[in-house]
Amino acid sequence: KQEVTQIPAALSVPEGENLVLNCSFTDSAIYNLQWFRQDPGKGLTSLLLIQSSQREQTSGRLNASLDKSSGRSTLYIAASQPGDSATYLCAVNVAGNKLTFGGGTRVLVKP
Amino acid sequence: DADVTQTPRNRITKTGKRIMLECSQTKGHDRMYWYRQDPGLGLRLIYYSFDVKDINKGEISDGYSVSRQAQAKFSLSLESAIPNQTALYFCATELYNTGELFFGEGSRLTVL
Repeated sequence: KQEVTQIPAALSVPEGENLVLNCSFTDSAIYNLQWFRQDPGKGLTSLLLIQSSQREQTSGRLNASLDKSSGRSTLYIAASQPGDSATYLCAVNVAGNKLTFGGGTRVLVKP
Repeated sequence: DADVTQTPRNRITKTGKRIMLECSQTKGHDRMYWYRQDPGLGLRLIYYSFDVKDINKGEISDGYSVSRQAQAKFSLSLESAIPNQTALYFCATELYNTGELFFGEGSRLTVL
């Protein structure tokens, strides 16, 4: 059974510092991996989708890497801003297109 | 307007009551999902549907049922609600086989 872990559960950084969020998974036979952002009381917004054949994806200040062999993905957010404060979840898609989610990392960027 | 709309957004009910959460989408996607979110546990899959006549159980389907009335509509029912079904429920859609999901804003259910 696929298990997805996100450590740390919470993170606080000063504005301007780069954010590094970690996601690990136990079964490397994945179809893709997706990073989401969740604001309090809101749904999930897709940030980046990395296919199993890719090593990384970039969108603006966001960069996500994928290392299937070690079962890891990292989301980098450059030059963090208070508006980046949210919970970030990673989800692994295995055969059958069902996602397994990590517990999330709650991020606070202090002005 | 949101592409994936959930109603109601908030609901408080009593143990034993029947509850229906509804989801409608304008994205034209074939696949629809219902997830449950509990603090610290991430999201867990309850049921999913790949087409109008297709219904599949997820990892935590006990105590729930679903209906896919049309391509755009997927409803989740709790036949007899219990307090440990208090959670935030999310509907999601997926364009066939892309692996990318789009979520509604959630329905917060409290069972007293």
